[in-house]
Amino acid sequence: KNEVEQSPQNLTAQEGEFITINCSYSVGISALHWLQQHPGGGIVSLFMLSSGKKKHGRLIATINIQEKHSSLHITASHPRDSAVYICAAALGGAQKLVFGQGTRLTINP
Amino acid sequence: KAGVTQTPRYLIKTRGQQVTLSCSPISGHRSVSWYQQTPGQGLQFLFEYFSETQRNKGNFPGRFSGRQFSNSRSEMNVSTLELGDSALYLCASSLVGPATDTQYFGPGTRLTVL
Repeated sequence: KNEVEQSPQNLTAQEGEFITINCSYSVGISALHWLQQHPGGGIVSLFMLSSGKKKHGRLIATINIQEKHSSLHITASHPRDSAVYICAAALGGAQKLVFGQGTRLTINP
Repeated sequence: KAGVTQTPRYLIKTRGQQVTLSCSPISGHRSVSWYQQTPGQGLQFLFEYFSETQRNKGNFPGRFSGRQFSNSRSEMNVSTLELGDSALYLCASSLVGPATDTQYFGPGTRLTVL
């Protein structure tokens, strides 16, 4: 079992739909990152969380430390949101990241 | 502020050769992390440097090594290349480290081993 598990692996939705991507981890963390990767490889950091909730535009990230679970939500999804979304955890305070398998999101117009 | 830069962007090598990849972090960032991305294994942590010291190393063989210079620029080296080393190699920089602050990723170096 991976230390960081993401679901679903693939997600296809229609423009405008509300999207949820989930991330679970097995041990205590000091930070949880949500990353976005477009075709071509470039990775952009969307959020870094250690507790609670963060919002940026149409994106919302939440984390529940007790349940060892984080979610990334996209409201009013748009085709330009199509990308791979990756969660990554700094487990046990170590200065290194363990990655989930990624979620490939496709938003159809 | 300039972003994280990596050179070269593309590289083709043959088995048995060695390769050196370079990463220049954002000015003021002292932490540089290296990652390998392959279709089969996804993203995996290689190592992290802070102020010229390696603080963490991932589960990779000793053929993979790195270093950081006093200006925070970092290099990673892979010796005796194998076909399985073909991957996208990414570096990321931050002020303190991935457990503490946002990671800023470079565009990556795509290595092909023939």
